[in-house]
Amino acid sequence: AQSVTQLDSHVSVSEGTPVLLRCNYSSSYSPSLFWYVQHPNKGLQLLLKYTSAATLVKGINGFEAEFKKSETSFHLTKPSAHMSDAAEYFCVVSDPNFGNEKLTFGTGTRLTIIP
Amino acid sequence: AAGVIQSPRHLIKEKRETATLKCYPIPRHDTVYWYQQGPGQDPQFLISFYEKMQSDKGSIPDRFSAQQFSDYHSELNMSSLELGDSALYFCASSGQGAAGGRDEQYFGPGTRLTVT
Repeated sequence: AQSVTQLDSHVSVSEGTPVLLRCNYSSSYSPSLFWYVQHPNKGLQLLLKYTSAATLVKGINGFEAEFKKSETSFHLTKPSAHMSDAAEYFCVVSDPNFGNEKLTFGTGTRLTIIP
Repeated sequence: AAGVIQSPRHLIKEKRETATLKCYPIPRHDTVYWYQQGPGQDPQFLISFYEKMQSDKGSIPDRFSAQQFSDYHSELNMSSLELGDSALYFCASSGQGAAGGRDEQYFGPGTRLTVT
């Protein structure tokens, strides 16, 4: 069965400092991994995705994530936080190789930006 | 670009009533997924349809049913509503990717259902 664990439920960083949101996955095969962002009372927006191509994935708004199979990790980073980055971030996994395309979400990390 | 459309955006119902949520996928997308996000929770997969056939089923209560129509839109029907059904219901759609697999899922804005 597939699952993701987001190691921090809440992360606070100062504006202009780096962001690191941690995610570990568990999957029986080569998974597809995603990061989605959800702003308050808004829908889910795809930040980036990994689908077995390049292990370093660049997304929108300056975010990127690196797939590390040896560590079963897919951490999300950004060099410099902006106030508009304050939101809930979900690490997500799917196993399309087993015909299982449903998304399994982590419990989310709430990112707070300190002015 | 066209996005996933969900209607209504907000819905208030009383216990034991029924509700129907609608989802209109991105044009040329053939797969629709439904997710439920309770207050302060992560989204949970309910059910999906590919080419009008149910393709996968998650934690969907027996009181709920869904279908996908010939124009690929989908409806989630919820009966005997309970207070615990209050949640944000997301629909997502996907199409065939460039390499032959599935493309990523694009989410609609959600329908906020409140059961009183």
